[in-house]
Amino acid sequence: KAGVTQTPRYLIKTRGQQVTLSCSPISGHRSVSWYQQTPGQGLQFLFEYFSETQRNKGNFPGRFSGRQFSNSRSEMNVSTLELGDSALYLCASSLMGNSPLHFGNGTRLTVT
Amino acid sequence: GENVEQHPSTLSVQEGDSAVIKCTYSDSASNYFPWYKQELGKRPQLIIDIRSNVGEKKDQRIAVTLNKTAKHFSLHITETQPEDSAVYFCAASKGNNDMRFGAGTRLTVKP
Repeated sequence: KAGVTQTPRYLIKTRGQQVTLSCSPISGHRSVSWYQQTPGQGLQFLFEYFSETQRNKGNFPGRFSGRQFSNSRSEMNVSTLELGDSALYLCASSLMGNSPLHFGNGTRLTVT
Repeated sequence: GENVEQHPSTLSVQEGDSAVIKCTYSDSASNYFPWYKQELGKRPQLIIDIRSNVGEKKDQRIAVTLNKTAKHFSLHITETQPEDSAVYFCAASKGNNDMRFGAGTRLTVKP
């Protein structure tokens, strides 16, 4: 089975712009979660989608949003980018609740 | 939401020694506790997990213990090897995939 695929791998954006990141889960996995990883902050939970519905949300501002499509692929959008949004954004898929997360390689976003 | 604390933030051991990483969680409803290993420049990967109906689980040199009353769980690595050097993350979940992670422990195994 193909693993979790995230595109693009790298992004450089300017403050104030917006960005969309994409995640294709493992075939058959209906849950997709997004995490922000920064040095010293670990993995911060953004949100989780299951069957096109957002079930859980972390403590991030409304500038961070996401969606999931009928084929379980998910996108994450960040609007009005700030310098502090520079991070590695990881997507993870899982088969069901309380099952292991399978991470993608991430999208490294740099905001200048 | 769930809050997971992890200690220590860095750990250095000699090859062959044991390493222990500890985590505490806040929500007593949490019932799934996985551990992930992230090598430099790579994605986090599951190394072991434990569910709330079990107190201990072992997989070769790795073991995890869970104390539900005290709300803490620990990762034990025995006979450490240089390839065990990585960042380790603990996590807790209530069963709805709202999985929260600790801040990570950077383990260095010195040859």
